[in-house]
Amino acid sequence: GESVGLHLPTLSVQEGDNSIINCAYSNSASDYFIWYKQESGKGPQFIIDIRSNMDKRQGQRVTVLLNKTVKHLSLQIAATQPGDSAVYFCAEIRDNYGQNFVFGPGTRLSVLP
Amino acid sequence: DTGVSQDPRHKITKRGQNVTFRCDPISEHNRLYWYRQTLGQGPEFLTYFQNEAQLEKSRLLSDRFSAERPKGSFSTLEIQRTEQGDSAMYLCASSLVSGSVDEQFFGPGTRLTVL
Repeated sequence: GESVGLHLPTLSVQEGDNSIINCAYSNSASDYFIWYKQESGKGPQFIIDIRSNMDKRQGQRVTVLLNKTVKHLSLQIAATQPGDSAVYFCAEIRDNYGQNFVFGPGTRLSVLP
Repeated sequence: DTGVSQDPRHKITKRGQNVTFRCDPISEHNRLYWYRQTLGQGPEFLTYFQNEAQLEKSRLLSDRFSAERPKGSFSTLEIQRTEQGDSAMYLCASSLVSGSVDEQFFGPGTRLTVL
């Protein structure tokens, strides 16, 4: 079936380095993608989104890249900080119907001192 | 704190008991979602409401699961005759749909443990 998934379940980076978290999706009809951050004991928190008519969007220290040709999404975090340690999920939405909101399994980011 | 609250934060129950969880969304939000999240996995969509109307419930895990949003504000999720496999985090999210944007704000979740 159609799904959203992640290449790497865990990622460890040195504080100050850049992080790249990847996500693959298989539903070419998806038109909206979101990256969420989830800290232990909390619900997912919106980080950044991107529409299918874009290939790049930048926020504060974060950049999302969308490659529709290979159905790949990535989240780049610049100058990773200890507070960035969390599980990161990508989610795809199709047609803005709630039931078409699909999360991937998540990547745990650990920031080493 | 996103403004979405859930109660209780933790619930321990014995197999076969019924449990009910409450979600209070951000007040002006018209959509409310319920998800289940198991350890190491992303949230799994269960159901959602637009105002009082439950627009999708086919993803509820079984007929033991039901949800209500009687006045279009808070919502409850009930699990009847709980089973050990129901142990999970139950997340609620709300959003204000504007055009084609649907940014969901999540609550802290209710962690259910079925003994």
